[in-house]
Amino acid sequence: GAGVSQSPRYKVTKRGQDVALRCDPISGHVSLYWYRQALGQGPEFLTYFNYEAQQDKSGLPNDRFSAERPEGSISTLTIQRTEQRDSAMYRCASSSRDGTRDTGELFFGEGSRLTVL
Amino acid sequence: GENVEQHPSTLSVQEGDSAVIKCTYSDSASNYFPWYKQELGKRPQLIIDIRSNVGEKKDQRIAVTLNKTAKHFSLHITETQPEDSAVYFCAATPYGNNRLAFGKGNQVVVIP
Repeated sequence: GAGVSQSPRYKVTKRGQDVALRCDPISGHVSLYWYRQALGQGPEFLTYFNYEAQQDKSGLPNDRFSAERPEGSISTLTIQRTEQRDSAMYRCASSSRDGTRDTGELFFGEGSRLTVL
Repeated sequence: GENVEQHPSTLSVQEGDSAVIKCTYSDSASNYFPWYKQELGKRPQLIIDIRSNVGEKKDQRIAVTLNKTAKHFSLHITETQPEDSAVYFCAATPYGNNRLAFGKGNQVVVIP
């Protein structure tokens, strides 16, 4: 597709359930980032990949959060045993720049809005 | 880590006037400073960015200025139009990549 695609757009789940959020970056983009955006706040860094390698996961809140990008394209962010405080918009972004040493435009997806009841 | 703050949180301007949003950052190693615009219900989109080796950059009606000594940078929008109404996020990174620390955002309202 032309842009970064995320699914599902909306996810409502009960506390304690696992959720998987998917990101399909712009074709050919080298680096992929996951951010979380609470209402009225700026995006907060979670983790990023350069190709298939997860380079930095220091922004993940705790070990219930994990991410993968096994073939260097589509990525999945998984939250296990969800809690109400996990409710937020989860945004994926991709860049054509080398994620280990280069800055440049981030192309954000529309986001996956997660609500944990 | 890097901490970015934006002022003011809300700014209302008359159409045609200029708007200025200021951001401060904490890490003197930060070297890349983008501004993203987010319209209601939409994704953030890059509108302009500046690197630490440059003091000012312009693109049509928008400009960004950087003061490394004071650790602040500002977004200037001239001849504001209703379509400039949005939330503007500044960001900074000392990592040399797109791991960005974003501010909380400024709501700009352009009054026709």
